[in-house]
Amino acid sequence: QQQVKQSPQSLIVQKGGISIINCAYENTAFDYFPWYQQFPGKGPALLIAIRPDVSEKKEGRFTISFNKSAKQFSLHIMDSQPGDSATYFCAGRRGYSTLTFGKGTMLLVSP
Amino acid sequence: NAGVTQTPKFQVLKTGQSMTLQCAQDMNHEYMSWYRQDPGMGLRLIHYSVGAGITDQGEVPNGYNVSRSTTEDFPLRLLSAAPSQTSVYFCASSSGALAETQYFGPGTRLLVL
Repeated sequence: QQQVKQSPQSLIVQKGGISIINCAYENTAFDYFPWYQQFPGKGPALLIAIRPDVSEKKEGRFTISFNKSAKQFSLHIMDSQPGDSATYFCAGRRGYSTLTFGKGTMLLVSP
Repeated sequence: NAGVTQTPKFQVLKTGQSMTLQCAQDMNHEYMSWYRQDPGMGLRLIHYSVGAGITDQGEVPNGYNVSRSTTEDFPLRLLSAAPSQTSVYFCASSSGALAETQYFGPGTRLLVL
């Protein structure tokens, strides 16, 4: 059972464009929804996160939109840059800091 | 602080061999976990620990053993390696049950022939 579904698998965006990655979850026990960014050959690193009592969170060019009733959340990257090219994972957490990850989205921002 | 360190970076095993992947953290974190990353599969939780002496299974625990004798170390043991265990393994740690950040190590790439 895949508890966090992520789409698209890959995404190509022109420099300056908006990158949008979507996730849907099934487990209503999740209490925290982080996004992780991973560069090739590196471990994932926390990018931004949101709790289910908030509908939107913005940090710089990165915004999470959260729809609790639809059990969906998305990552928006404004003014996408080549340095944003990485794999992005959404996740849900259900206590004890254990994370259930989506399958990831490979983002390529073309110059 | 070195953060989360993992050794080795890369390992080749033959089917049936055993090995231990090492993970250490110097942040005095209570929670540590092991994930495996496979193409198109995301990261899947193998085992986790909420403190020294306490471990539990994650989503894909079969073929792996763990123990947590100290706060700093959380080794992952493969008792009899199989080609299906070819993967990249990540160790992660966080400071507590409600900690908002898991810190990942650089990973160990394992190839089982």
